[in-house]
Amino acid sequence: GDSVTQMEGPVTLSEEAFLTINCTYTATGYPSLFWYVQYPGEGLQLLLKATKADDKGSNKGFEATYRKETTSFHLEKGSVQVSDSAVYFCALSERQGAQKLVFGQGTRLTINP
Amino acid sequence: DSGVTQTPKHLITATGQRVTLRCSPRSGDLSVYWYQQSLDQGLQFLIQYYNGEERAKGNILERFSAQQFPDLHSELNLSSLELGDSALYFCASSSRDRGSYEQYFGPGTRLTVT
Repeated sequence: GDSVTQMEGPVTLSEEAFLTINCTYTATGYPSLFWYVQYPGEGLQLLLKATKADDKGSNKGFEATYRKETTSFHLEKGSVQVSDSAVYFCALSERQGAQKLVFGQGTRLTINP
Repeated sequence: DSGVTQTPKHLITATGQRVTLRCSPRSGDLSVYWYQQSLDQGLQFLIQYYNGEERAKGNILERFSAQQFPDLHSELNLSSLELGDSALYFCASSSRDRGSYEQYFGPGTRLTVT
């Protein structure tokens, strides 16, 4: 079945550092890809998405590009802030059929001032 | 605020008991999804309803059931609870039942089984 693999966490960075969180996927069809963020004590919020190959999703300084050839959707940000500390989830959903999300295991990010 | 509400926020109960978790979707959304987040299994899809009808099932135990009512709110019923059912249960909603439409998540219900 479909699956998503994220880089192991936790990740700790200093403020203004460059961030990369790796995400690769396995899917039988042609999925849409998402990054969700979960702040402490809250539900998940959609950070960005991409629905076809070579699409770049971007939001709040975060970017991710849908790479079909490498089945990847890595999350990047050029300069992180303390407020970016959260758990980040990569996810996919098949465009045909039910819209259930398949999540990676999550990566906890801590930004130190 | 996503517009999705879940009650209760926290629930503590004993093994063998039955509980009901409630979810109200965003105004106008017809699709409701339930997910379970646990330390060992991560975030897993349980079940989806669209306009009152079950549309998809994931790794949902037979002891668990759900329904969506005419006013579109949904309830997840968990029975014969075991320690391993302790988890955060999220509800999400979207406007459609298929395609790449964004799912909006509620704040979750934290269930503790003692």
